[in-house]
Amino acid sequence: EVQVVESGGGLVQPGGSLRLSCAASGFPFSSYSMSWVRQAPGKGLMWVAAISGSSVTTYYAGSVKGRFTISRDNSNSTLYLQMNSLTAEDTAVYYCAKDLDDYIWGTLEYWGRGTLVTVSS
Amino acid sequence: QSVLTQPPSASGTPGQRVTISCSGSSSNIGSYTVNWYQQFPGTAPQLLMYSNDQRPSGVPDRFSGSKSGTSASLAISGLQSEDEADYFCAAWDDSLNGPVVFGGGTKLTVL
Repeated sequence: EVQVVESGGGLVQPGGSLRLSCAASGFPFSSYSMSWVRQAPGKGLMWVAAISGSSVTTYYAGSVKGRFTISRDNSNSTLYLQMNSLTAEDTAVYYCAKDLDDYIWGTLEYWGRGTLVTVSS
Repeated sequence: QSVLTQPPSASGTPGQRVTISCSGSSSNIGSYTVNWYQQFPGTAPQLLMYSNDQRPSGVPDRFSGSKSGTSASLAISGLQSEDEADYFCAAWDDSLNGPVVFGGGTKLTVL
């Protein structure tokens, strides 16, 4: 059974940093692109970043480019999102998602339950 | 404001057919395929339709998708109470908005 489980969310002050993790199981992790998508409270979905199976290719939404870094450890089937210079606008539930295939961007076949990031003083 | 435009709400009675539209531009829907996601309150989204009209396994054939030009539609026939949820369209976008953009979502109410 495919599972992706996020962790690492919490309360952080404006300007602070946080690293999210996503533990994956039930599929050959290195063979699939992975993505992060966020959802602010009561709002719609916003795609954040994606990474190819071999980490060769990464993509970022414009609003997080230069502040967030997506990475993965295929030996441990874990996806990461390093978030720096956080602002209140980054407050959201962050979902980890498995893409349908490697280099098939944005077709998010399996989603985790999400981890809440709150940026507030 | 979302790059892809969806009506904020839609409704129908059990058994009816409802459609949800998703309007974009040449940089997204006009050039790339569309995916649809279904989200129930308090839960993660689920892939409902991909590549415009392909259903993942387990999705009932009451759900269908289509695309024409820079717009896409999700149709639900034989509407059931359990279809009440939020629906989001998404597509690749090769403008500065991208690379993956979502619609603002449509809340479907089954009356």
